[in-house]
Amino acid sequence: EAGVVQSPRYKIIEKKQPVAFWCNPISGHNTLYWYLQNLGQGPELLIRYENEEAVDDSQLPKDRFSAERLKGVDSTLKIQPAELGDSAVYLCASSYSGTGFADTQYFGPGTRLTVL
Amino acid sequence: AQSVTQLDSQVPVFEEAPVELRCNYSSSVSVYLFWYVQYPNQGLQLLLKYLSGSTLVKGINGFEAEFNKSQTSFHLRKPSVHISDTAEYFCAVSSGTYKYIFGTGTRLKVLA
Repeated sequence: EAGVVQSPRYKIIEKKQPVAFWCNPISGHNTLYWYLQNLGQGPELLIRYENEEAVDDSQLPKDRFSAERLKGVDSTLKIQPAELGDSAVYLCASSYSGTGFADTQYFGPGTRLTVL
Repeated sequence: AQSVTQLDSQVPVFEEAPVELRCNYSSSVSVYLFWYVQYPNQGLQLLLKYLSGSTLVKGINGFEAEFNKSQTSFHLRKPSVHISDTAEYFCAVSSGTYKYIFGTGTRLKVLA
């Protein structure tokens, strides 16, 4: 079974440029998460999708960040414009929300963003 | 509000020695607890989880953890580590809101 796929794995951009990250969850997983992981820190939730609906985006900086999950499968996270402080690893995770709120989340390898 | 504290940022240990990685949590409600491992340049992989029942939880790669409600702890242990166990270990807590709160991680360095 294929795991969570993310691309690109690495991205270097100049500040004020836009950037987008793509995530393909595990087949059949209806819940998708985007996390931000700063150096030396644990992941922090940015947004959670149930199918195509964003059900928790309270931690997403909406002035510059946006996300979408068309057709309830793949998802894209965008930053426009990027700032120096956005340099971090962006992780995507998915789970099957069929057994309740302790569903195991499966993580992708992440996209390491460097903003110069 | 929930929080997770991983007391040790780095733990060096010799190969074949036992190891314990400490995790304490704070929550006013019942919790679900997780340990994840992150190898260099990889995503997080679930080691084990506590949902209910037996307080001793066994996971993959020979790891186990014990839930201690009175001490609000969920320490991770392995009786004999290998070089390949070198990685970052994250403890996480969830109270049923789908949101995981992660600790800051413990870097386990296994020495030959």
